[in-house]
Amino acid sequence: TQLLEQSPQFLSIQEGENLTVYCNSSSVFSSLQWYRQEPGEGPVLLVTVVTGGEVKKLKRLTFQFGDARKDSSLHITAAQPGDTGLYLCAGAGALESNSGYALNFGKGTSLLVTP
Amino acid sequence: EPEVTQTPSHQVTQMGQEVILRCVPISNHLYFYWYRQILGQKVEFLVSFYNNEISEKSEIFDDQFSVERPDGSNFTLKIRSTKLEDSAMYFCASSTWIYNSPLHFGNGTRLTVT
Repeated sequence: TQLLEQSPQFLSIQEGENLTVYCNSSSVFSSLQWYRQEPGEGPVLLVTVVTGGEVKKLKRLTFQFGDARKDSSLHITAAQPGDTGLYLCAGAGALESNSGYALNFGKGTSLLVTP
Repeated sequence: EPEVTQTPSHQVTQMGQEVILRCVPISNHLYFYWYRQILGQKVEFLVSFYNNEISEKSEIFDDQFSVERPDGSNFTLKIRSTKLEDSAMYFCASSTWIYNSPLHFGNGTRLTVT
């Protein structure tokens, strides 16, 4: 069962553009985490959101957790080539999941920012 | 900054052989994990480990898999009789706590089963 759906799957934009990627689920999570993964490396945590409606900012990145704690979005302002990578959302503590508090990952959004 | 280290970075093995993937988690972390990522697919949870025993495991983690913390620093994943479909990137991770705690991942071991 695919608990977390991420969209779009691929995104190619030019430097300076804004973008939003989405992470949706029918499950309620105790928290959602966003990671960024570069080729040949492990995922690196960007942010954890815990409270429904929570908004967190990390420089040009803005993360929002849905009020019902089922979905999240990542907005990047004025994207730069260094933002290129695979953005993964991961949910913990899904009520419908049999994996307890283990993190379940979405498939990710592959972002390419060209100069 | 402390990091999770994994060895080897790439392992090639023949079908039916046993492999052991090694990880050194961050020293003050208490929870340890193995995830895998088949090429082009999502990162999948295999197992979590705390206080020298498995705390959770997924359906993927069947009898061919086992984990061990043989000493105070290493955390290993053993695959007893490898199959072609075990080819994947295997990531070790550690965290200070299980609830809403960020995971620190290693750079993975690419396992190729021929």
